[in-house]
Amino acid sequence: KAGVTQTPRYLIKTRGQQVTLSCSPISGHRSVSWYQQTPGQGLQFLFEYFSETQRNKGNFPGRFSGRQFSNSRSEMNVSTLELGDSALYLCASSSVEVTGELFFGEGSRLTVL
Amino acid sequence: AQSVTQLDSHVSVSEGTPVLLRCNYSSSYSPSLFWYVQHPNKGLQLLLKYTSAATLVKGINGFEAEFKKSETSFHLTKPSAHMSDAAEYFCVVISNAGKSTFGDGTTLTVKP
Repeated sequence: KAGVTQTPRYLIKTRGQQVTLSCSPISGHRSVSWYQQTPGQGLQFLFEYFSETQRNKGNFPGRFSGRQFSNSRSEMNVSTLELGDSALYLCASSSVEVTGELFFGEGSRLTVL
Repeated sequence: AQSVTQLDSHVSVSEGTPVLLRCNYSSSYSPSLFWYVQHPNKGLQLLLKYTSAATLVKGINGFEAEFKKSETSFHLTKPSAHMSDAAEYFCVVISNAGKSTFGDGTTLTVKP
């Protein structure tokens, strides 16, 4: 089985731009979660989608948004980028049958200049 | 509300000696608890999980953890550290509604 795939792996943006990150979950997984990882704040939960619906949301401003498609692929978008948005963005998928066990992709490393 | 506290931000051991990474949690219900490992520039990999079955949980690479409800702890141990164990370790609590809370992580250094 293929693992969780995140694209792009690395990207550089400037302040004020927007960015879209993509996550393809493991086949058959319907839940996709997004996390932001920074040296200062650690791993922080952004949101979780299940069957195209946002089921849980972390404490991030409205500039951070996401969606999930009918094939369970998910995208997250960050608008009006700030320097502090520089981070590793991790996506994880999970199966309904195995509560909570998360399978992570290798992440998208965003640098905002 | 739920929370996770990893009691040590850094742990350093010599190769071949035991490893203990400490995790305390708080939750208003019976949570699912996990340990994940992250090697540099990689995603997280599941080490082991507790989901209300046996309190002593065995994971991959010789790691195990014991769930102690009275102490609200879920410490990770390994009898003998290997150089390849050097990484960052995360204790995670996940509610039955699917909300995950990560600890701040413990960086394990293994000295030759």
